[in-house]
Amino acid sequence: SYVLTQPPSVSVAPGKTARITCGGNNIGSKSVHWYQQKPGQAPVLVIYYDSDRPSGIPERFSGSNSGNTATLTISRVEAGDEADYYCQVWDSSSDHPSVVFGGGTKLTVL
Amino acid sequence: QVQLVQSGAEVKKPGASVKVSCKASGYTFTSYGISWVRQAPGQGLEWMGWISAYNGNTNYAQKLQGRVTMTTDTSTSTAYMELRSLRSDDTAVYYCARVGEVGAPMDVWGQGTTVTVSS
Repeated sequence: SYVLTQPPSVSVAPGKTARITCGGNNIGSKSVHWYQQKPGQAPVLVIYYDSDRPSGIPERFSGSNSGNTATLTISRVEAGDEADYYCQVWDSSSDHPSVVFGGGTKLTVL
Repeated sequence: QVQLVQSGAEVKKPGASVKVSCKASGYTFTSYGISWVRQAPGQGLEWMGWISAYNGNTNYAQKLQGRVTMTTDTSTSTAYMELRSLRSDDTAVYYCARVGEVGAPMDVWGQGTTVTVSS
């Protein structure tokens, strides 16, 4: 089955840029979606189809995907961005497509 | 506004079954599917499966095959997830989420339902 690998944690100072990676075999050939989850809350979609941003998500959130790595970039990080972030793809390699999540990355704002 | 509202918390004994509901509003229910995702305490997100609200087609995670059943009631715009033969490691928060076609993101999530399995 398809595996997505994320770093367990990323730390960044306020106002700086955070980059959260999501590794997978030839992930550049798949569409990647990213979710933000704050403690005690449901996940929220922040980036879809690699780099599109839902309405209401700040322009500071952006995404890219190429080769074996997809990246979520958060510019001008704010304290309110502190959360867990998950990448997600659909694995359509079998007759029964399935969803795969990365293990999640905890973003800490120093 | 588009929203998914889930049923309340459940406490079950090992071996029992649980059925969680997810009521949709603010959009055409049959134009989307519903995915179910769970999260054990302190752990990441685990996909359980997907159901098309259009035709009832389902796709379950291999790990849960035989123990999970997902259904929809289009008359009430409600999706259901039933998990049988509960074990302690089924203790988790269970989420429903709206999904378009295969490949699409989960763009709207329910608030979550806590299921605790304990003797």
